[in-house]
Parts: sequence; structure tokens; C-alpha cells
Amino acid sequence: EDKVVQSPLSLVVHEGDTVTLNCSYEVTNFRSLLWYKQEKKAPTFLFMLTSSGIEKKSGRLSSILDKKELFSILNITATQTGDSAVYLCAVLYSGYALNFGKGTSLLVTP
Amino acid sequence: GEEVAQTPKHLVRGEGQKAKLYCAPIKGHSYVFWYQQVLKNEFKFLISFQNENVFDETGMPKERFSAKCLPNSPCSLEIQATKLEDSAVYFCASSPAGGLYGYTFGSGTRLTVV
Repeated sequence: EDKVVQSPLSLVVHEGDTVTLNCSYEVTNFRSLLWYKQEKKAPTFLFMLTSSGIEKKSGRLSSILDKKELFSILNITATQTGDSAVYLCAVLYSGYALNFGKGTSLLVTP
Repeated sequence: GEEVAQTPKHLVRGEGQKAKLYCAPIKGHSYVFWYQQVLKNEFKFLISFQNENVFDETGMPKERFSAKCLPNSPCSLEIQATKLEDSAVYFCASSPAGGLYGYTFGSGTRLTVV
């Protein structure tokens, strides 16, 4: 059965800390892996990763995919309270549907 | 427009009533997807469309759920005879080319069945 597993499920850090969120997957017909940030409403797109070993960066966020070991990590450096959200990992498989993990709930305290 | 517009934002239905949700994809996006988010973080894929054609319906509960995307109309998701377990946030997303360039999600419709 296809599955996407995120860890940890929740995390509390202080502003300025660096966090690493994990996502492992077992999905047939893998196309790519996506990270989303969900605050109150719609998930907002962060990264799409298709190739192994190529780091994607956007400001303080970065992500990388390992297709051999079937996992991805999302790093956030110098965290801010505005980073508090649920971070969702999802795998795009054939048919273009997304298989989501349960998310990591991140709380950044002042 | 550049956003996926979902209406209504909130919908309350008594058990057994019908619920109909709407989604206007971003102009030019030919793929539309519906997801159900039960509890806080459990997303479940329901159905996708390529233009007005069903592309993948493997996640649809066939008995009470139906969906359409007709030309020049918002897409719709209809639930006949709602049950308490249908209470969830229903997200619509659209994409220009399957999921190859990612999706854009709408803000969701919160359905509460009482």
C-alpha cells in the first residue's frame, strides 16, 4: 500500500532555531515530491522535487530529495513566529493525484 | 483570475440532506482536483478532471458522491444524503498540466453535517 510518513508529527522550537522536517515514502509510479505550508486555509506551495540530490532553496527554506532511500527533508533556518504552520509532504504519482502525509505541526515561540 | 475560487466557504447540512460545493479553477488550467481533509491533516484524494472529462476517480465514494466540470461553469462536487462522517474541509485545486508544475489550492469549503 502506498504511504507517505512525516516526522515528527509536531515540534515546538524557539525563534532563531533551525528545524528539519522529514518525509519518507513508498509510492508506486512516483513522479515528484511536493512540500506545502498550511496555515489556516489553503496549502501554499513551497517546493517540488523530482531529481535526487538537487537542493531547492527559497530564502530560509530548503529541501532535498533522496530517491534511493525514498525520503526528503525540509529545512528551515533562523525560524520566525510566522513559520508556525503545518508542513505537508505529498507525493505525486501517476494519474497526477497527490498522496499526502499527515503533516508536521510546527510552533515557533518568541 | 489567479486564484482557485471555492464557494461557499461554510456549509451546514442536516444528515440526509444534499450538499453541493463549487470550484472555479484558475483560467487556463485544464486540470481540476478535489480533496477531502478530515480532522486536521488527513488529506484524501477524491477525483480529478481534465477539462470536462473525468481523469481519475479512484478516490470517489461512488454511492453518494458525484462531480462535474462543465464548459463555462464552475466545477461542482455533490454529496447526496450526507452523513456525519462527511464533515470535512473540501479543497479544490487546479493545475495547467496535470501535477507536473504543482497545483494551486483553493481556500476550501468547510462542510458540517449535523
